[in-house]
Amino acid sequence: GAGVSQSPSNKVTEKGKDVELRCDPISGHTALYWYRQSLGQGLEFLIYFQGNSAPDKSGLPSDRFSAERTGGSVSTLTIQRTQQEDSAVYLCASSMRGGAVTQYFGPGTRLLVL
Amino acid sequence: TQLLEQSPQFLSIQEGENLTVYCNSSSVFSSLQWYRQEPGEGPVLLVTVVTGGEVKKLKRLTFQFGDARKDSSLHITAAQPGDTGLYLCAGMGIGGNQFYFGTGTSLTVIP
Repeated sequence: GAGVSQSPSNKVTEKGKDVELRCDPISGHTALYWYRQSLGQGLEFLIYFQGNSAPDKSGLPSDRFSAERTGGSVSTLTIQRTQQEDSAVYLCASSMRGGAVTQYFGPGTRLLVL
Repeated sequence: TQLLEQSPQFLSIQEGENLTVYCNSSSVFSSLQWYRQEPGEGPVLLVTVVTGGEVKKLKRLTFQFGDARKDSSLHITAAQPGDTGLYLCAGMGIGGNQFYFGTGTSLTVIP
């Protein structure tokens, strides 16, 4: 498929465990975004990668959250010592470049922390 | 954080009715986008507006960017059940590189 893919689609974990969420952007897209969405709500910006530039981490809610983008392609969002308030849908989007261009979203990973 | 408030939060209307969704902020944006999201899927871009006062039409949907680039509206004419979904506005700050998303409007069109 040519779209953005995310895995897993659903993740149930216990409080205190670490989780890793994966995003495969559209090939050739240099910009990649991670967002968090609570049920029926708007999107909360988490982190932005653009090419080889240092990522914009200004949206990460705490130091338990981190993200990497290896080789300018696949990205992993890691949440350490998960808390119940981390339960949400985590969405990844990619675009050809940064700025006011179309972001293509993946289907999201639904995380439930028990 | 540049807060974007959307109103109404929830809207349930009959097929064939018209509706308007509002997106308001105290901040100025260099551009503003509207997305629609269906359950279990990611948002899909509907339109991008960049000029104050700009109006764009997409079939039965009309989008307007405020003159001061602080607000926007989405008007749907003769709503259809296929219009059902979560509508999100997103604004990019001046000199910024990220979009700030609004609080969302959940629209249900009843056949």
